[in-house]
Amino acid sequence: EADIYQTPRYLVIGTGKKITLECSQTMGHDKMYWYQQDPGMELHLIHYSYGVNSTEKGDLSSESTVSRIRTEHFPLTLESARPSHTSQYLCASSEYGTGGIKYGYTFGSGTRLTVV
Amino acid sequence: LAKTTQPISMDSYEGQEVNITCSHNNIATNDYITWYQQFPSQGPRFIIQGYKTKVTNEVASLFIPADRKSSTLSLPRVSLSDTAVYYCLVGEANAGKSTFGDGTTLTVKP
Repeated sequence: EADIYQTPRYLVIGTGKKITLECSQTMGHDKMYWYQQDPGMELHLIHYSYGVNSTEKGDLSSESTVSRIRTEHFPLTLESARPSHTSQYLCASSEYGTGGIKYGYTFGSGTRLTVV
Repeated sequence: LAKTTQPISMDSYEGQEVNITCSHNNIATNDYITWYQQFPSQGPRFIIQGYKTKVTNEVASLFIPADRKSSTLSLPRVSLSDTAVYYCLVGEANAGKSTFGDGTTLTVKP
C-alpha cells in the first residue's frame, strides 16, 4: 500500500564505491526528506526539498548529496562510501492535506546500507 | 518548531490500555499534534492527529487539554504487535521539516 518507494532495500558495498539510493513517490507531494537512523536511535534529518530544483541540508551533517529534478524522484548519492556511512536511510514526503488530516509524513521502507 | 518531551520507555501487558503523554509547552496557535508509530527497520507510520479536545480513530485516541501544552496518546487493549517506538510531533499544518526526537519505546509483554 506504500506510495513511496525506496530501492534497494538492503545494500552491502565496499569502501570507496559510489552509491545512489533511490526514492520515488506517486502522491505528487512537493516536500521530500531523507532521514538517517542507526538501530535504536533517533531519526536525523540529513536533506530535504520543498520542490523541484530545491534542496537543503538538514540538521545532521552528511557527506551525501541529493537532487530533485522531478517532483516524484529524490535520490541520495554517496560519492565514496565509508564504513561510517553504515546506517538506515529513510525517505519521506509530506503534504498539506485537506479534510481530517492537515499535515503528515509518508515514509518509505528504508534502505539498510552496510559499507565494508 | 515546538520542542516535545516524552518518556523514553514504557512497559505494558497484553489487553491493557496504554497512555503515552507528550509535553509541548511552547506549542503555537497554528500547530497540530501528530503521533507516529515505528517498528524496527521500517519508517514511521502516521497514527493520529489533533488540534484540541479529543480525536478518535480505529487504532487510537488523542486527548488534548484546553491549554494544549500536552497531549496523550491512548492505545486501547494493546497486543504484542503494538511493541514499537511512538513519536509525538508538533508543527504547523503546512510545515516542512520536523525533528522526531527520541520517541517512547513501548514494550508489550504477554
